[in-house]
Amino acid sequence: GENVEQHPSTLSVQEGDSAVIKCTYSDSASNYFPWYKQELGKRPQLIIDIRSNVGEKKDQRIAVTLNKTAKHFSLHITETQPEDSAVYFCAAKGRAGGYQKVTFGIGTKLQVIP
Amino acid sequence: KAGVTQTPRYLIKTRGQQVTLSCSPISGHRSVSWYQQTPGQGLQFLFEYFSETQRNKGNFPGRFSGRQFSNSRSEMNVSTLELGDSALYLCASSLGGRTVAEAFFGQGTRLTVV
Repeated sequence: GENVEQHPSTLSVQEGDSAVIKCTYSDSASNYFPWYKQELGKRPQLIIDIRSNVGEKKDQRIAVTLNKTAKHFSLHITETQPEDSAVYFCAAKGRAGGYQKVTFGIGTKLQVIP
Repeated sequence: KAGVTQTPRYLIKTRGQQVTLSCSPISGHRSVSWYQQTPGQGLQFLFEYFSETQRNKGNFPGRFSGRQFSNSRSEMNVSTLELGDSALYLCASSLGGRTVAEAFFGQGTRLTVV
């Protein structure tokens, strides 16, 4: 089955700096890679996603890159703000018995220091 | 459009008891997935239901079971509770068809086993 590794597990950055979170996946058939943000005490919410036919996607201060050959994808947050502090999960979605199955990384706790 | 609703929000149970959690997906969504979230373990996949059928299953013991009703609402049952079952249980709903689709999470049920 799919295996998603995520690192670092914790990340502290100064406000205004950039943050990068990296994930690798094992199943070359995975074709959808969402990123979720979970603030303390709240539900995970999708912040950006990328499909396997795209190499990079941006949405304001966040961007995701995908390298299918190396089977890794990354989340980039620029000009970080205190409200970016949260746990971020990457995920890979691929076929499992003919149906879509999502596998999550272990999460990265991002702390933005004002 | 109402979001994903999980009930109850909080539960305290005693070891050996059983518990049933409920998840009402977004209207029109036919796929419901369940996850266990614990500190340091991230989001661990329990199972996924689509059109009343379990089509994916994670690596959890048989004490964890679920079902889905014709209106797509899903329940998860844990029998013979153990202290280690204390966790936040999240469900996520999506359209669930053959194409990839965003998953929306509920707020979760926080289960404490004492």
